[in-house]
Amino acid sequence: DQQVKQNSPSLSVQEGRISILNCDYTNSMFDYFLWYKKYPAEGPTFLISISSIKDKNEDGRFTVFLNKSAKHLSLHIVPSQPGDSAVYFCAAQEGKLIFGQGTELSVKP
Amino acid sequence: DAGITQSPRHKVTETGTPVTLRCHQTENHRYMYWYRQDPGHGLRLIHYSYGVKDTDKGEVSDGYSVSRSKTEDFLLTLESATSSQTSVYFCATHRGAGNTIYFGEGSWLTVV
Repeated sequence: DQQVKQNSPSLSVQEGRISILNCDYTNSMFDYFLWYKKYPAEGPTFLISISSIKDKNEDGRFTVFLNKSAKHLSLHIVPSQPGDSAVYFCAAQEGKLIFGQGTELSVKP
Repeated sequence: DAGITQSPRHKVTETGTPVTLRCHQTENHRYMYWYRQDPGHGLRLIHYSYGVKDTDKGEVSDGYSVSRSKTEDFLLTLESATSSQTSVYFCATHRGAGNTIYFGEGSWLTVV
């Protein structure tokens, strides 16, 4: 049973617009949520995280929102840039780290 | 960057042979993980370690074993490789809850 789900395998956005990537989870005991970005043939790199006691965390163009009642988190990228094109993984942590399936973001010039 | 080195980076092996992948870290991180990445499945946890000689299973542990005799090394062993274990394997480490988790560059394994 998948505890962390990213239901959109891909997303295409125009440069300069907002990208919204979504993630749902089932375990209410997760205490941290993280987003990772992955380019082909490279390891995932950390992007942004949020503690379960917060509902928003912002870092430059990246903002993560957490809705605990809905067990849902989202990553907003504003404005989107072509260099943001990559696979984005959300992850949830309760001791060990569990990842979603990933969403491939394509930002078109 | 947590000084994570995975070896080998690429390997082709035959079905039924044993394979060991090594993860080496230089940051004295307590937690180490092995994941595999497959299309449509994202990153799936194989095994993890929360200290020397302390390991536990992840969601796809069948066919894999691990050992951690030193803080800096976490070994993943496929006792008898099968074609379903063809994948990209990533090692990850972190200091503890809430701390950033760092990934290695991956090990590409092909079982023929």
